Amino acid sequence: AQKITQTQPGMFVQEKEAVTLDCTYDTSDQSYGLFWYKQPSSGEMIFLIYQGSYDEQNATEGRYSLNFQKARKSANLVISASQLGDSAMYFCAMREWADTDKLIFGTGTRLQVFP
Amino acid sequence: DTEVTQTPKHLVMGMTNKKSLKCEQHMGHRAMYWYKQKAKKPPELMFVYSYEKLSINESVPSRFSPECPNSSLLNLHLHALQPEDSALYLCASSIQGYSGANVLTFGAGSRLTVL
Repeated sequence: AQKITQTQPGMFVQEKEAVTLDCTYDTSDQSYGLFWYKQPSSGEMIFLIYQGSYDEQNATEGRYSLNFQKARKSANLVISASQLGDSAMYFCAMREWADTDKLIFGTGTRLQVFP
Repeated sequence: DTEVTQTPKHLVMGMTNKKSLKCEQHMGHRAMYWYKQKAKKPPELMFVYSYEKLSINESVPSRFSPECPNSSLLNLHLHALQPEDSALYLCASSIQGYSGANVLTFGAGSRLTVL
């Protein structure tokens, strides 16, 4: 069974600074995908970035990058130049290719950006 | 604007009521999902429809009854709910395919309160 661990319940960062949100995962499959979603207080889950298990390069999307360390089974999200609007819950999620209908989420990290 | 539309945004119902949550997408996605999210918890998968057929039921109580009348619509019928069923119900959709890379697009959610 797959498992996602986010060990930081809450993080604080000053505006314009970079922040790293941790995510470790556990799977016996070789083929899988890792996702990060942002959930503002409004409730909607917003897709940020994706990393496939066979991707050799770390994924980047604008201010978001994913620090993928396959051997350590970690997929940390790096947000550069934090903005006040980045304050939200952040969820790491994984889907195994053998079970493509299931996207399973970690417990989340609440990020608060202060001026 | 979100491309997955959920109605109603808020619903208050008694334990003897029958109500429905609705979800609509026009992105041509053939996989649709219901997730339940309790306060300060990650979303938990409830049901998955693939090509209008129920492919996953995560042992959800029968008081929740999903329906997928066509490829654009997904309903969740509610009957005889308990106060502990109060939560944010999130609908999502994705391209169907044998790949872990398919991104789920979420709606803004329906916040349900059971009295």
